[in-house]
Amino acid sequence: AQSVAQPEDQVNVAEGNPLTVKCTYSVSGNPYLFWYVQYPNRGLQFLLKYITGDNLVKGSYGFEAEFNKSQTSFHLKKPSALVSDSALYFCAVRGGYSSASKIIFGSGTRLSIRP
Amino acid sequence: GAGVSQSPRYKVAKRGQDVALRCDPISGHVSLFWYQQALGQGPEFLTYFQNEAQLDKSGLPSDRFFAERPEGSVSTLKIQRTQQEDSAVYLCASSSRVGQSTGELFFGEGSRLTVL
Repeated sequence: AQSVAQPEDQVNVAEGNPLTVKCTYSVSGNPYLFWYVQYPNRGLQFLLKYITGDNLVKGSYGFEAEFNKSQTSFHLKKPSALVSDSALYFCAVRGGYSSASKIIFGSGTRLSIRP
Repeated sequence: GAGVSQSPRYKVAKRGQDVALRCDPISGHVSLFWYQQALGQGPEFLTYFQNEAQLDKSGLPSDRFFAERPEGSVSTLKIQRTQQEDSAVYLCASSSRVGQSTGELFFGEGSRLTVL
């Protein structure tokens, strides 16, 4: 069975510092990995995805994520945090050998950026 | 509008009542998904439509849950005889791609259901 884990409920970072939001996964077959962001009273917004190719994926709002197959991780990163990055972040994975396999979301990590 | 629209945004139901939640996907999107998001949790898959066909309903928690998309656009999620454990935010998402492979889903703001 496929699963995704976000080990940190909350991450606190000072504005201007680099940030990392952790994600690990377990799937059969090749993983398709995603990050979504949810601002208060808004729907989830797609940030970036890894399907194949370069392990470092760049997405919206200056975010990037690094796929690490040996560590089964897909951590979200940003070199310099902004207060406006404060939101709830979800990692998601689709694995398996069938295009019918479902996307599974993690439980979310609340990112708080202090001025 | 240009995005996914869900209604009602908030619904309070007495235990045992039936509720219907509506989703208007982005025009032309062939794929439509329903998710359930409990407080403090990530979205949990409920069901998936490709046009009017319901291809996967494995996430529906019981036979009290029913979803339809009769004309391949608007979808309705119906919950019969609501129970307190049904309280959650119900998210609708659509995609221009077939299936779930690409993962770039466009989500609505959700319908928050509270069952008393």
